[in-house]
Amino acid sequence: EPEVTQTPSHQVTQMGQEVILRCVPISNHLYFYWYRQILGQKVEFLVSFYNNEISEKSEIFDDQFSVERPDGSNFTLKIRSTKLEDSAMYFCASSGGRASGNTIYFGEGSWLTVV
Amino acid sequence: AQSVTQLGSHVSVSEGALVLLRCNYSSSVPPYLFWYVQYPNQGLQLLLKYTTGATLVKGINGFEAEFKKSETSFHLTKPSAHMSDAAEYFCAVSVTGTSGGGADGLTFGKGTHLIIQP
Repeated sequence: EPEVTQTPSHQVTQMGQEVILRCVPISNHLYFYWYRQILGQKVEFLVSFYNNEISEKSEIFDDQFSVERPDGSNFTLKIRSTKLEDSAMYFCASSGGRASGNTIYFGEGSWLTVV
Repeated sequence: AQSVTQLGSHVSVSEGALVLLRCNYSSSVPPYLFWYVQYPNQGLQLLLKYTTGATLVKGINGFEAEFKKSETSFHLTKPSAHMSDAAEYFCAVSVTGTSGGGADGLTFGKGTHLIIQP
């Protein structure tokens, strides 16, 4: 069964450093997302991406964050200057819209620890 | 804006007993509703979803949920709990025309941790 894959599974970084989280969405999907889950809290929407541009973003997704689809397969989340409060599990997700029954499929997450 | 409330951050049931996880939503337009499960150290897996049509939806692993518009609820049930059901369960809502596959994604509840007692 096709799946969303994410790398790295776990990254430790120093405060102020740049981090890039990578995702390979399901190949025929059109919508791409990033969510995050701070330890013990709920899953929060960060951003959606469609047709090579951001469709929606939450208030969490400030200027420190950016997303990119550099080629036909990868979808990345960049945090420019990490803060301690960026420590969280980051989930990439994708959907084919109606073509996939309008379901969002999630990756297994990238656990980011900022020290 | 839509929101989701899951009553009870922790629910404990005995193995073989009925599982009932509660979810209420608020939405100004007809919602699309989802339940996801998260096993320890894993990602989110879709259990079931309601888009249109039959209000009782069946999902994987013997779970089902019923959409009740009058109660703005989408409670998750399973007749007989199994030890392998121990996990975190998230209810989510989307109001886009593409039911979660569109631009604004999903709004999640805070999750309910299901504990199965032997």
